[in-house]
Amino acid sequence: QVRMVESGGGVVRPGKSLRLSCGASGLILTNFDMHWVRQAPGKGLEWVAVVWSDGTTVKYADSVKGRFIISRDIYKNTVSLQITTLRVEDTATYHCAKQRGGGAYSLDFWGPGTTVTVSS
Amino acid sequence: QSALTQPPSASGSPGQSVTISCTGTRSDVGGYDQVSWYQRHPGKAPKLLIFEVNKRPPGVPDRFSASKSGNTASLTVSGLQPEDEADYYCSSFAGTNTLIFGGGTKLTVL
Repeated sequence: QVRMVESGGGVVRPGKSLRLSCGASGLILTNFDMHWVRQAPGKGLEWVAVVWSDGTTVKYADSVKGRFIISRDIYKNTVSLQITTLRVEDTATYHCAKQRGGGAYSLDFWGPGTTVTVSS
Repeated sequence: QSALTQPPSASGSPGQSVTISCTGTRSDVGGYDQVSWYQRHPGKAPKLLIFEVNKRPPGVPDRFSASKSGNTASLTVSGLQPEDEADYYCSSFAGTNTLIFGGGTKLTVL
């Protein structure tokens, strides 16, 4: 059975950093384009970042560009999101999601999410 | 970039049909056939319902259908069932390998 799970969330002060990780069983994450999507309390889904299966191409939403870094580890089969200079508005549940293959720009498998709360 | 526009709520009685709209621009919905729809039940991860405008992944009932016209995409849920009560989100490719989501629509089955 395929499982994907995020970790690393918590309560942090503004300006601090945090590293989120996404691991999977039954699925080789590095074979796919992998995304991070977040949902702030009471808000909708917001796309955050993508790392292509080539491991080198990355893209970010304008709202996080320059502060977030997405990466992957082929040996650990994980995808990570390094979040720096945290802001209150970064408070959200962060999901990793696998992009469907075949050229479709859609996310066909999601983790349950890890919650980040930024508060002083 | 602003989120795609969805109505905040929609409702229907069991057995009825409901359509949810998703409006973007020529830079996203109107520019690519890469609109997706997701269903999200409280406390659960989003589930892909539709990809590439109107294609269903295996296992998604054909009660869920979708289309696109210009800058607006639509999801229709036919034969509403109680378990269809959930939040629905659209998304679209928005160029340069980015995605954009809609604000979500809460579907209530009366």
